Parts: sequence; C-alpha cells; structure tokens
Amino acid sequence: AQSVTQLGSHVSVSEGALVLLRCNYSSSVPPYLFWYVQYPNQGLQLLLKYTSAATLVKGINGFEAEFKKSETSFHLTKPSAHMSDAAEYFCAVSRMDTGRRALTFGSGTRLQVQP
Amino acid sequence: DVKVTQSSRYLVKRTGEKVFLECVQDMDHENMFWYRQDPGLGLRLIYFSYDVKMKEKGDIPEGYSVSREKKERFSLILESASTNQTSMYLCASSSTSGQGQSNTGADTQYFGPGTRLTVL
Repeated sequence: AQSVTQLGSHVSVSEGALVLLRCNYSSSVPPYLFWYVQYPNQGLQLLLKYTSAATLVKGINGFEAEFKKSETSFHLTKPSAHMSDAAEYFCAVSRMDTGRRALTFGSGTRLQVQP
Repeated sequence: DVKVTQSSRYLVKRTGEKVFLECVQDMDHENMFWYRQDPGLGLRLIYFSYDVKMKEKGDIPEGYSVSREKKERFSLILESASTNQTSMYLCASSSTSGQGQSNTGADTQYFGPGTRLTVL
C-alpha cells in the first residue's frame, strides 16, 4: 500500500525566507504525488502534482516540488515566503487499490509566516 | 471552474440521530469521495464512488453509508450519529484518469469547502 509521511506538523518561517515542507512516500509502484493547501475554513486546493513526467514540478503561487526516487521524497519549496502562504499543507499519493482514484494523505504541516 | 458544493458548512446533531451530508459537483466527474479530517491525522477516506450506484469502502467506513443515485450527487449518511463522529467532512470529485481537463490532467481531486459536524 502507498503511504506518505510529512516531517514536522508545524513549520515557522519569516516573511521572505525559504519555505521547505518535507514529504516522504512509500510505494512499490511509480507513484503519483500531490501537494494540496488548505486555508482556514476552506477545502483543499491543488498546488501541484507529479505524474511521472518532469521530476521538478512547478505549481501555483510560486511553489515547486522535486520528485527524488532515490530518496523517496517529494519536498515542497518556495524561495520567498509571503504572509498569505500561512496555511496547512498536505502531501498525498494515489492509491493503487482504488485504480489511482483515491488519495492517501499525510498528516499535514501547518505553515506559519512571521512578519 | 470546477465547483463542489456541500449542503452545510456547520451542523450540530444529537447522538443517535440519522445525519445526511450532501455533496454536488458540476463538472460531470465520474469519481466522488468522502473524507474525514481530524487534527494530526490528515484526511482519511470513508467511501468513494466511481459511477452511479457504485460505491467502494475506504479506510474507515464503519458507522457510515453512502448513496449515489445521480452522477453529480454523492451523499454520506451517518445511520446513528455518535460523539466520535464529530469531525470535518470533506467531499471531493475527479475525472477518470486520462480524461480530465487539459490543464490539470488525470487524478486531480477537487474539494468542497467541508462540513464541520458536531455530535452532542
């Protein structure tokens, strides 16, 4: 079965600093990987996804993630944090037992941006 | 834009009540999902459906049932609500792989705003 682990339930950065949110996956087959963001009192919104094309994936709002098979990682980065980036971020992997329809989510990382 | 709507943002029910949570999507998606979100646990799959009248159990189906009579609507039913079902419930939909919108591709799930259910 596929699974993801997000290291760090809370991350705090200063405005303008680098954002790095960590995600490691476990999968016996080539995975489809996703990052979603959830702003307060809202549903989840797709930031970016990897589906076996380019290993460096660019998403919305200046975020990007790099798929590293050797490290089984899919970390999310942004060069310069903005106050509006404060939210909860979820890493997810497609589930083979559902024909890749459903996702297994990590436990989430709450990003705090300090002025 | 894809739109997924949920019938209520906040709901308060009593233990033992039968509870219906409704979800509607407007993009003719084949797949629909119900997740439960709890702090520190992320999202957990309750049920999903890949076609009308078809349903599959997820990881935590106990105490829940679902109904999909029309393609655009997927309902989650709590047969007899209990306090441990107090949670945020999120509905999502997606197109079948390879047939999604050209700018998003396969497997992207679109989420509703969520229903925060409190069972007293």
